Amino acid sequence: GQQVMQIPQYQHVQEGEDFTTYCNSSTTLSNIQWYKQRPGGHPVFLIQLVKSGEVKKQKRLTFQFGEAKKNSSLHITATQTTDVGTYFCAGQGSGYALNFGKGTSLLVTP
Amino acid sequence: DGGITQSPKYLFRKEGQNVTLSCEQNLNHDAMYWYRQDPGQGLRLIYYSQIVNDFQKGDIAEGYSVSREKKESFPLTVTSAQKNPTAFYLCASSVDRDYGYTFGSGTRLTVV
Repeated sequence: GQQVMQIPQYQHVQEGEDFTTYCNSSTTLSNIQWYKQRPGGHPVFLIQLVKSGEVKKQKRLTFQFGEAKKNSSLHITATQTTDVGTYFCAGQGSGYALNFGKGTSLLVTP
Repeated sequence: DGGITQSPKYLFRKEGQNVTLSCEQNLNHDAMYWYRQDPGQGLRLIYYSQIVNDFQKGDIAEGYSVSREKKESFPLTVTSAQKNPTAFYLCASSVDRDYGYTFGSGTRLTVV
């Protein structure tokens, strides 16, 4: 079945440094979504990418969808302590429900 | 305010007992989902329902059961057949396939 792999599993940065997490699917996706889960919280929808090569920005966050619609990335510029949490990608393949990656846990120290 | 309510937030049960987790949404979403989250494992799909009176097994449905008698409600029963039930359970809903999910705040189940 469809697999969504996400790396790295953990990332520890100093406040102000950049951060990137990568997501790869074994199959072509119709769309990919990104979620953020704060410690002790629940996942919150950030964005959906649909088109091949699509790039979307939300303030300091930049999301990309690969040309082949099999990979995606989330880049955070100049991290802040409020960025702490686990970032999940979720791929929409041929099945009805999303397949989530295992997430990247981001720790930001001041 | 529209949203998803999961209750209770924490649940303790003895081994061998069935337990039902509640999930209610007032977003008028057709689709609802149950995911299980374990440390380092991401979110794994247990069951999903595209519409009232219909539901499908996900990747780890063994030992679980669901019902969808009302659009707003999608309760999950963790049966005694589930070998390792201690986990964080998340309910979600969406307008339909290809739309973003809204998650509830989760139920943390501990079986002792």
